[in-house]
Amino acid sequence: DQQVKQNSPSLSVQEGRISILNCDYTNSMFDYFLWYKKYPAEGPTFLISISSIKDKNEDGRFTVFLNKSAKHLSLHIVPSQPGDSAVYFCAALGGTYKYIFGTGTRLKVLA
Amino acid sequence: GAVVSQHPSRVICKSGTSVKIECRSLDFQATTMFWYRQFPKKSLMLMATSNEGSKATYEQGVEKDKFLINHASLTLSTLTVTSAHPEDSSFYICSARSAVANEKLFFGSGTQLSVL
Repeated sequence: DQQVKQNSPSLSVQEGRISILNCDYTNSMFDYFLWYKKYPAEGPTFLISISSIKDKNEDGRFTVFLNKSAKHLSLHIVPSQPGDSAVYFCAALGGTYKYIFGTGTRLKVLA
Repeated sequence: GAVVSQHPSRVICKSGTSVKIECRSLDFQATTMFWYRQFPKKSLMLMATSNEGSKATYEQGVEKDKFLINHASLTLSTLTVTSAHPEDSSFYICSARSAVANEKLFFGSGTQLSVL
């Protein structure tokens, strides 16, 4: 039972354009969401997070939007850069402090 | 930012041997550490949660006698893969949750285990 889903396994975007990565979840008890970036053979690095009391959080080129009614969040990267090419995982956190990760989306930013 | 050190980064071993992976939080105290396993093109699968000074909590389907977890201090957790077999070959990643910044998880750099 995949509680956190990233339905797009891959995404290609031209440099300078916007990258939009999507994540859906099924458990309404999740109250904190995080995005991680992962390069091959490395551990994930934290990017940005959002609490369920907010609908938007921005940090430089990265913005996360949360739509609680739709149980959907998205990560926007603008402008996209070749160095952003990586696998992006969304993660959800509920009361048990167990982090549930999505399956990841491989982003490729084309120069 | 907080640093989590994981060693070794890569290990190749013979079938039947045991492998120990260390995870250290370098500049913060980790109340809880998590061990994940990642298969190619798959999500991070939580194996177990360890709290300092207590027994680890294993996820369903994870053999606790095979994957021994010890969390001896607030800065160190170890995962020992006992009697490793080729199907144990995978990328193992540890993460730590700070006692201060509770929601954020900080990850180690991962260990690629190859069992021949």
